[in-house]
Amino acid sequence: DTEVTQTPKHLVMGMTNKKSLKCEQHMGHRAMYWYKQKAKKPPELMFVYSYEKLSINESVPSRFSPECPNSSLLNLHLHALQPEDSALYLCASSQGADTGELFFGEGSRLTVL
Amino acid sequence: AQKITQTQPGMFVQEKEAVTLDCTYDTSDPSYGLFWYKQPSSGEMIFLIYQGSYDQQNATEGRYSLNFQKARKSANLVISASQLGDSAMYFCAMREGNTGFQKLVFGTGTRLLVSP
Repeated sequence: DTEVTQTPKHLVMGMTNKKSLKCEQHMGHRAMYWYKQKAKKPPELMFVYSYEKLSINESVPSRFSPECPNSSLLNLHLHALQPEDSALYLCASSQGADTGELFFGEGSRLTVL
Repeated sequence: AQKITQTQPGMFVQEKEAVTLDCTYDTSDPSYGLFWYKQPSSGEMIFLIYQGSYDQQNATEGRYSLNFQKARKSANLVISASQLGDSAMYFCAMREGNTGFQKLVFGTGTRLLVSP
């Protein structure tokens, strides 16, 4: 079983909806990540949090808003998404922001209608 | 320019045979790390093996080994004694040392199918 838990596993939303993706890890990791993966493509980095502070934003549109309430939780708030934002959203964590391998969750599969 | 290149979109292997998945990389940073991940249809990315640029020996983890040829900038994954459960997508990834963060860049992946 993965030690990074993502909810929900599937989400369907309209372009005017507001929804959130949640990610939780209890491995004591201090870095957490959001990746986006389109079908048949590799994952692409969106955000990196290190010690609960946003360290990297890979020029992600503002309709995606990350939040790290504490060291175990990572949220991704979604608002006014476009159909092209439909993808698998993967959360990951690592021991430090520059050390250790990334542990991934199973992802949240998002469909925007 | 592509930093990670996986030239095999798909590979087929029979159960119990060994298979090599190719990965070449491009970096001018002397410090970097190379990773292999497996992604089954469930979606989760499962870490398999890691090789640091300064590691003298090739990494091994159970049935997985990494054939690291630094001068050629290649980091091929070798899976010995393939099992049906090895059928999945395999991604090679690199982290460059100077970023200070785990900015993993992934290759396009190789889909492995293991047949009985």
